[in-house]
Amino acid sequence: AQKVTQAQTEISVVEKEDVTLDCVYETRDTTYYLFWYKQPPSGELVFLIRRNSFDEQNEISGRYSWNFQKSTSSFNFTITASQVVDSAVYFCALAKLLGGSYIPTFGRGTSLIVHP
Amino acid sequence: DAMVIQNPRYQVTQFGKPVTLSCSQTLNHNVMYWYQQKSSQAPKLLFHYYDKDFNNEADTPDNFQSRRPNTSFCFLDIRSPGLGDAAMYLCATSSGGTDTQYFGPGTRLTVL
Repeated sequence: AQKVTQAQTEISVVEKEDVTLDCVYETRDTTYYLFWYKQPPSGELVFLIRRNSFDEQNEISGRYSWNFQKSTSSFNFTITASQVVDSAVYFCALAKLLGGSYIPTFGRGTSLIVHP
Repeated sequence: DAMVIQNPRYQVTQFGKPVTLSCSQTLNHNVMYWYQQKSSQAPKLLFHYYDKDFNNEADTPDNFQSRRPNTSFCFLDIRSPGLGDAAMYLCATSSGGTDTQYFGPGTRLTVL
């Protein structure tokens, strides 16, 4: 069975602070995919990043960076110099490919509030 | 420019009155998914189609049905909505394989 744990229910920071959102996953599969999505108040899930289980290279995209460590089954997400527009719920997801389709399992999400 | 469109954005129905939610896509993707997301919870996969092949999640209630008449459209039918079915319903698509899922804006269902 697959499981994704986002232990932080809510994080509150002041603008320009750095913030890290934690994600820990469990799976018995050797091939799997990890995702982060952003869900602003409007409700639409916005794709941020995808990683496959064989690619442990960290990635940076502007103010966003991701740290994937298979040894600890973690896929953490850091926002540098946070902005008010970063306020949203962030979901980490673990997916396995089954019959040509992704079958995802989402974490419960972390609500990030960035205060001006 | 919208790629995954959900109508309506807000739907109010009465307890026990059937309701249909609609999803359409302009991406020509093979796979379409329906998720249920209750307040402050993670999206929960209800079912998905790979082309015409329907895949139901084991714990999806029988009250929920889906139709995919063609590549572009997929419908979620709730036969007898209960108060517990009030939620945001999200549609997503992907081209299959290792492609990412693209989500629509969701339909928020209220059951009175």
